[in-house]
Amino acid sequence: DAKTTQPTSMDCAEGRAANLPCNHSTISGNEYVYWYRQIHSQGPQYIIHGLKNNETNEMASLIITEDRKSSTLILPHATLRDTAVYYCIVRVANSGYSTLTFGKGTMLLVSP
Amino acid sequence: DAMVIQNPRYQVTQFGKPVTLSCSQTLNHNVMYWYQQKSSQAPKLLFHYYDKDFNNEADTPDNFQSRRPNTSFCFLDIRSPGLGDAAMYLCATSSLMGKRQGAYEKLFFGSGTQLSVL
Repeated sequence: DAKTTQPTSMDCAEGRAANLPCNHSTISGNEYVYWYRQIHSQGPQYIIHGLKNNETNEMASLIITEDRKSSTLILPHATLRDTAVYYCIVRVANSGYSTLTFGKGTMLLVSP
Repeated sequence: DAMVIQNPRYQVTQFGKPVTLSCSQTLNHNVMYWYQQKSSQAPKLLFHYYDKDFNNEADTPDNFQSRRPNTSFCFLDIRSPGLGDAAMYLCATSSLMGKRQGAYEKLFFGSGTQLSVL
């Protein structure tokens, strides 16, 4: 699986958009980009995933560059409850049941 | 509605005293995982079950064992806990979503059991 690189930490003001970058320059054509987050003292939670098109759901938007070497997770209106560690993970698509390997992630702190 | 339930939320054990952590799921998923997460670190996969097939990660110590008596339940046994085994233990299940051509896997995690070793 391709390796990902994320900033260690980021800050965001409440109500503003939080843009979390992820670099995955060695991604191959059949690998998905997954995003999970982990709020303190809870288990990780699935947010969104994508292959090559931009994706949006009720939680966030995922923007993947045309060359697929990087992506950005966007929380359009961050709230205090979005303070968490955000993990960007790359995993082969259509691989059936597999195992996700978590990197160090980005600690997002949303402040009033 | 809790879907992956871990009990207890906090567990204290003594050095060397066997301990069992439990996980149950109401999702009827085939796959169940156990992750270990030490303070300020990312979750690390210990092993997983695909139905009754057990899959151990290469670097998981022999001290860690698991049982899955049925689809709904999975147990993590630590035979002789050391101080270094103090951690959050996370159980997860997964399901394949979408069509086979574009299938992706989505993990559902429990809230974890925080294990302390005295």
